[in-house]
Amino acid sequence: EVQLVESGGGLVQPGGSLRLSCAASGLTFSSYWMNWVRQAPGKGLEWVANIKEDGSEKNYADSVKGRFTISRDNAKNSLYLQMNSLRVEDTAVYYCTQLRRAWGQGTLVTVSS
Amino acid sequence: QSVLTQPPSASGTPGQRVTISCSGSSSNIGSKTVNWYQQLPGTAPKVLMYNNNQRPSGVPDRFSGSKSGTSASLAISGLQSEDEADYYCAALDDSLNGWVFGGGTKLTVL
Repeated sequence: EVQLVESGGGLVQPGGSLRLSCAASGLTFSSYWMNWVRQAPGKGLEWVANIKEDGSEKNYADSVKGRFTISRDNAKNSLYLQMNSLRVEDTAVYYCTQLRRAWGQGTLVTVSS
Repeated sequence: QSVLTQPPSASGTPGQRVTISCSGSSSNIGSKTVNWYQQLPGTAPKVLMYNNNQRPSGVPDRFSGSKSGTSASLAISGLQSEDEADYYCAALDDSLNGWVFGGGTKLTVL
């Protein structure tokens, strides 16, 4: 069974930084593109970023480009999202997902003063 | 406003067949496969359908997916109360170089 477990969410002030982690198991992690998707309170799903199997290609939504950085460590079966210059509108549950296989349970990021 | 267009709501009675549509363009649904996700209240999304019509193990065959041109559909037959959830479609988009989602359809079982 594929398991994706996110961590690192919390409360942060506008302009602050946070690093999310996702631990993967039950799949050959290094064989899959991986994604971060977020969901603001009461809203729909918004794709944030993805990264190729070997980390050589990364793509970002316009709303986070230049502020967020996706990375991975295949030796540790882990996915990361470094979030800088956070804004109130970044408040959401952030999901780690292999979009054809599985989703994590999500981690809540709240940006507020 | 979402790149993929879904009806905001749908409903049916137990045992009925319900269809949820997802409309896109040539840069996404028209050239890529479509996934569907089910999100039960208060929980994370779950993969319901991938590559247009492939069901992951554990998903009942009451759920089926199809695609034609720049539109896709999710059909649920033999509707059950536990099917009450939000449903989202998604596809890669060539022009955006990333994934796009529909706004979600809230399914109510009457």
